[in-house]
Amino acid sequence: EDKVVQSPLSLVVHEGDTVTLNCSYEVTNFRSLLWYKQEKKAPTFLFMLTSSGIEKKSGRLSSILDKKELSSILNITATQTGDSAIYLCAVDPSGGSNYKLTFGKGTLLTVNP
Amino acid sequence: GAGVSQSPSNKVTEKGKDVELRCDPISGHTALYWYRQSLGQGLEFLIYFQGNSAPDKSGLPSDRFSAERTGGSVSTLTIQRTQQEDSAVYLCASSLSGWTGGILPQPQHFGDGTRLSIL
Repeated sequence: EDKVVQSPLSLVVHEGDTVTLNCSYEVTNFRSLLWYKQEKKAPTFLFMLTSSGIEKKSGRLSSILDKKELSSILNITATQTGDSAIYLCAVDPSGGSNYKLTFGKGTLLTVNP
Repeated sequence: GAGVSQSPSNKVTEKGKDVELRCDPISGHTALYWYRQSLGQGLEFLIYFQGNSAPDKSGLPSDRFSAERTGGSVSTLTIQRTQQEDSAVYLCASSLSGWTGGILPQPQHFGDGTRLSIL
């Protein structure tokens, strides 16, 4: 059975701290790994990773995939209270022409002022 | 219309009633997905539509759940004879295309969801 595990499940930090969120997976026919940020409602897309070792960066957020270790990390530097959210990791494990994501349970990040 | 639109945003109904949830994808997106998010759980895949192809219904939890997509655009998820365990947030997502052999997959973009509460 395909599986995505995120850690930690929750994290509380102070503004300005740097955080690292982890995602490990066990899936067949790996295609891509995605990170989403979910505040109150819709998960919003952050990154899609398909190749190992290539860092994707957007402002203070960055992410990298390690296919050998079957894992990915999401880094957030100089955290702000607006970074408080659930961060979801998902992988596309499907073969053929379908594209259904398997999600982890998420990491709840709380950034205190 | 920039994003995926879902309605209603909240639905409270009695056990045993039928409910219909609506999703209007981003214009031009050919792929449409339904997921369910229960408290403390990750998002659970329900069903996937790609263009005019037969949908992938492999995630539907029981035959009380069904979905259709008319005209390749708007989709409706129907739950018949609702049970308390159906209470969850139902999220719809769309993308430019699903995986199509050799072409990089496109990220899915989500709507705000429908929070369904079964009394």
